[in-house]
Amino acid sequence: GAVVSQHPSRVICKSGTSVKIECRSLDFQATTMFWYRQFPKQSLMLMATSNEGSKATYEQGVEKDKFLINHASLTLSTLTVTSAHPEDSSFYICSARVRRSQPQHFGDGTRLSIL
Amino acid sequence: AQTVTQSQPEMSVQEAETVTLSCTYDTSESDYYLFWYKQPPSRQMILVIRQEAYKQQNATENRFSVNFQKAAKSFSLKISDSQLGDAAMYFCAYRRSQGGSEKLVFGKGTKLTVNP
Repeated sequence: GAVVSQHPSRVICKSGTSVKIECRSLDFQATTMFWYRQFPKQSLMLMATSNEGSKATYEQGVEKDKFLINHASLTLSTLTVTSAHPEDSSFYICSARVRRSQPQHFGDGTRLSIL
Repeated sequence: AQTVTQSQPEMSVQEAETVTLSCTYDTSESDYYLFWYKQPPSRQMILVIRQEAYKQQNATENRFSVNFQKAAKSFSLKISDSQLGDAAMYFCAYRRSQGGSEKLVFGKGTKLTVNP
């Protein structure tokens, strides 16, 4: 149980393009999902907390107009990197949990490369 | 702010042997969760084990066990009978349990190599 699916797994696109990443909870409903970013050989850093039916909560220093988050349903959250530039290239990974007392389960991640 | 420190960037162990990965953390809260996650080359983060701070008993999951020392704010992971498939990056993580953000605060990770 508690499977999280993330799509796509890899994206390569030109500078200026907007890229959408999907995160789905396959066998449970997730009122809250989380988006992390991981630079090479570094740890995960939380970007934002995605709440179903309301606005996402962004961590300090994360541009909300740059990284648009939509939590459309209890099983789907999307992260859109708008007008992506090479410095946005990174590994993006989402997580979700069944309830607050339960651990977060992670998707497989998306490697984003902006040329 | 909470911080998590993993002082061992890299560790190695012989197959079938035991290895311990260190983790210390800093918090002013009394109730929280601690986790060990494994990230193999495939990059997926896999939950290995978790510990609730109010529980004195150390968590165990098959070959994986923790040594949780609350007063010392230490949370080490012991892997027994190491297998080649255990090779990965291991991240220690902290999360508060009540109120506020559910943010996971990660350490910088320890790369574990298992030698045949």
